Parts: sequence; C-alpha cells; structure tokens
Amino acid sequence: AQSVTQLDSQVPVFEEAPVELRCNYSSSVSVYLFWYVQYPNQGLQLLLKYLSGSTLVKGINGFEAEFNKSQTSFHLRKPSVHISDTAEYFCAVRVSSYKLTFGKGTLLTVNP
Amino acid sequence: KAGVTQTPRYLIKTRGQQVTLSCSPISGHRSVSWYQQTPGQGLQFLFEYFSETQRNKGNFPGRFSGRQFSNSRSEMNVSTLELGDSALYLCASGLAGGETQYFGPGTRLLVL
Repeated sequence: AQSVTQLDSQVPVFEEAPVELRCNYSSSVSVYLFWYVQYPNQGLQLLLKYLSGSTLVKGINGFEAEFNKSQTSFHLRKPSVHISDTAEYFCAVRVSSYKLTFGKGTLLTVNP
Repeated sequence: KAGVTQTPRYLIKTRGQQVTLSCSPISGHRSVSWYQQTPGQGLQFLFEYFSETQRNKGNFPGRFSGRQFSNSRSEMNVSTLELGDSALYLCASGLAGGETQYFGPGTRLLVL
C-alpha cells in the first residue's frame, strides 16, 4: 500500500522569502502525485499535479514541484511567498485505485 | 464551468441520528469520491463511485454508505451517528479515468 509523508507539520517563513514543503511517498508502482492547498474553512484546491512527462511541474500561484523518482519525493517550492499563501498544504499520491492517499499536511504561515 | 457543490455546508446532529450529504460534480465528470477530514486522522478516503457503481471503498464501518445517481450526483449517508463522526466531509469529482480530482467546499458535520 502507498503512503505519503510530509516531513514538516508547520513551516513559518517571512514574506518574500523562498519556501520548500517536503513530501515523500512510498509505492512499489508508478504513481500520480498532487499538491492541494486548503484555506481556512474551505475545501481543497488543486495546486499542481504530476501524471507523466517532465519532472518539473508548474502550478498556480507561482508554485512548482519536482518529481524525483529515485528519492521518491515531490517537494513543493515557491521562490517568494506572500501573506496570502498562508494555508495548509497537502501532498497526495494516487496509484491504480481510484483514491487519493494524503499526507498529514503542512501548515505554511507567512509572517510580515 | 461551475465547480463541485456540496449541500448542506454545515450540519448539527445528535448521537444516534442519521445524516445524508449531497454532492453535485463538475459538469461532465462521472467519478465522485468522498473523503473525511478530521484533526486527528487527517484526510481519509471513504468511497468512489462511477456510473452509479462503487469502484473503491475505504476502511470505514458499514454505517457509512453512499450512492450515485444517473446524473452523477452523489449522496453519502451515515447512520447511527457517533461523536467521532464529527468532521469535514469532502466530495471530489473527476473524469472517467479519475486521474485528477477536484474538490468541493465540504460539509462540516458536528455530532453532539
């Protein structure tokens, strides 16, 4: 069975600083990978996805992620964060079954 | 195109009651999945439906059930509610292959 580990439960950063949210997964087969963002009292919004092809994936709001098969990682990055990026971020993996397995989430707090 | 809609958005029930939650997928999407989100357990997969058939099911007791109608709308039912069923219930829709799932705003259920 697949699993997802988000290595940091909380990441505080200052505005305009770069950020990396780390995600590792375990699976013995090919996977699809996703990052979602959840703002307070809202559902999940898709940030970006890796299905196949280029290992560097660009998403919305200036975020990008790199799929590293050898390290089984899919870290999310943004070169300069804004106050409005404060939210919880979830990494998810999908194998062949029609379900997503999520990590526990990383709370990104951007301070002025 | 309208997003995934869920009704109601908030619900308060008492132990022992039952509840039905509704989800309308994005137009053209035939796959609907349900997830439960709690602070302790995070995001957990409940079940997924496609063309009125359940394709996959998570590890939840039989009190949790669902169905999908011919117009792809889906309902989830929880019988004999327990305090631990208090959670945010998220619905997601996708195309037939289900590679990417798009989430609704959720229904927040409080069981007293």
